[in-house]
Amino acid sequence: DQQVKQNSPSLSVQEGRISILNCDYTNSMFDYFLWYKKYPAEGPTFLISISSIKDKNEDGRFTVFLNKSAKHLSLHIVPSQPGDSAVYFCAARVKAAGNKLTFGGGTRVLVKP
Amino acid sequence: DADVTQTPRNRITKTGKRIMLECSQTKGHDRMYWYRQDPGLGLRLIYYSFDVKDINKGEISDGYSVSRQAQAKFSLSLESAIPNQTALYFCATSDEDRAGSGEQYFGPGTRLTVT
Repeated sequence: DQQVKQNSPSLSVQEGRISILNCDYTNSMFDYFLWYKKYPAEGPTFLISISSIKDKNEDGRFTVFLNKSAKHLSLHIVPSQPGDSAVYFCAARVKAAGNKLTFGGGTRVLVKP
Repeated sequence: DADVTQTPRNRITKTGKRIMLECSQTKGHDRMYWYRQDPGLGLRLIYYSFDVKDINKGEISDGYSVSRQAQAKFSLSLESAIPNQTALYFCATSDEDRAGSGEQYFGPGTRLTVT
């Protein structure tokens, strides 16, 4: 049973518009959530994170929102750029479990010029 | 130079063969991890190590073994490879001091095909 789920396997968006990626989780013990970005033939790279005690974290064009009651988080990319085309993974961590990350299945984003 | 390197980058092997994937890091991190990526399943943890003498199984350790030869080196072995171990394998590291966010740093991956 996947504890972290990304229900949209792919997303296509026009350059300059907003990309919204969603992630749902089931384990209420998760205390940190992270987003990773992955280009083909490369390893995932860290993008942005949010603590479970916050509901929003922003870093430039990237904002992550956390709704604990709904066990849902989302990543907003505004404005989207062609270089944002990649696979995005949502991940979650329980600190007491030793910093292990549980990943979602990923969402492939295509930003069209 | 890359902080986390993996060798080989690509490997094709036959069922029943033993194979070793190697990971080296220059980040000075204590913690190292092995994941496999399968389409639609994201990354799943195989093994992890918090230091040379501390090795732990992840969620899918069956059929795999690991060796932490030094702080900077963490190897993954498939003792007798089978086709459903065909996947993309990633090594990752993290710094205990940065464990506040859980951020991990990934190598470029090894694409393994078992025929």
